[in-house]
Amino acid sequence: DVKVTQSSRYLVKRTGEKVFLECVQDMDHENMFWYRQDPGLGLRLIYFSYDVKMKEKGDIPEGYSVSREKKERFSLILESASTNQTSMYLCASSFRRDTNTEAFFGQGTRLTVV
Amino acid sequence: GDSVTQMEGPVTLSEEAFLTINCTYTATGYPSLFWYVQYPGEGLQLLLKATKADDKGSNKGFEATYRKETTSFHLEKGSVQVSDSAVYFCALSQGYSSASKIIFGSGTRLSIRP
Repeated sequence: DVKVTQSSRYLVKRTGEKVFLECVQDMDHENMFWYRQDPGLGLRLIYFSYDVKMKEKGDIPEGYSVSREKKERFSLILESASTNQTSMYLCASSFRRDTNTEAFFGQGTRLTVV
Repeated sequence: GDSVTQMEGPVTLSEEAFLTINCTYTATGYPSLFWYVQYPGEGLQLLLKATKADDKGSNKGFEATYRKETTSFHLEKGSVQVSDSAVYFCALSQGYSSASKIIFGSGTRLSIRP
């Protein structure tokens, strides 16, 4: 069974903390994505990576960075967490250039910044 | 840029009612189109897809037809069940210089009354 696993379902962090969200996939996918989900705004792409050490900004990269040191793992980093980063974060993966294939999603991490 | 627009929710229906959720898109080239579903407390999962004009995707009684002339991909089901209550996302996948990526609509929350 294919799997995308996010390290935490729920996180509570303090303003100003550095926060790491981890995502691992076991499908040998080249592409990995981080989305943010907020009510009424749908899924907004933060960053994506199409290969190890490669990354591209999505629609809302400000306040975030990413790391892809191994093909199966994609980390989202909040350098200094703020309350407006309270949200649901979803990781996904897919094959690199095949537009016909679906993306597979993790369960999501609900982050609360207090 | 490429975008997806879907009808605002929430949508509330009685069991066995007919469902339509409208989705239109703007894209250069020839994207693939998807409907994803998110059940409470879970990540997104693929419901159905269509990869070229006039294709019909279907799954679990849901259908959607890729209409290039109207740039639409409306989701339909003839008789909804309480278990169909979820958030539904329309999406497109497009190839870019580096990789394909998926763009989502804002989501439509569907509630079915017994």
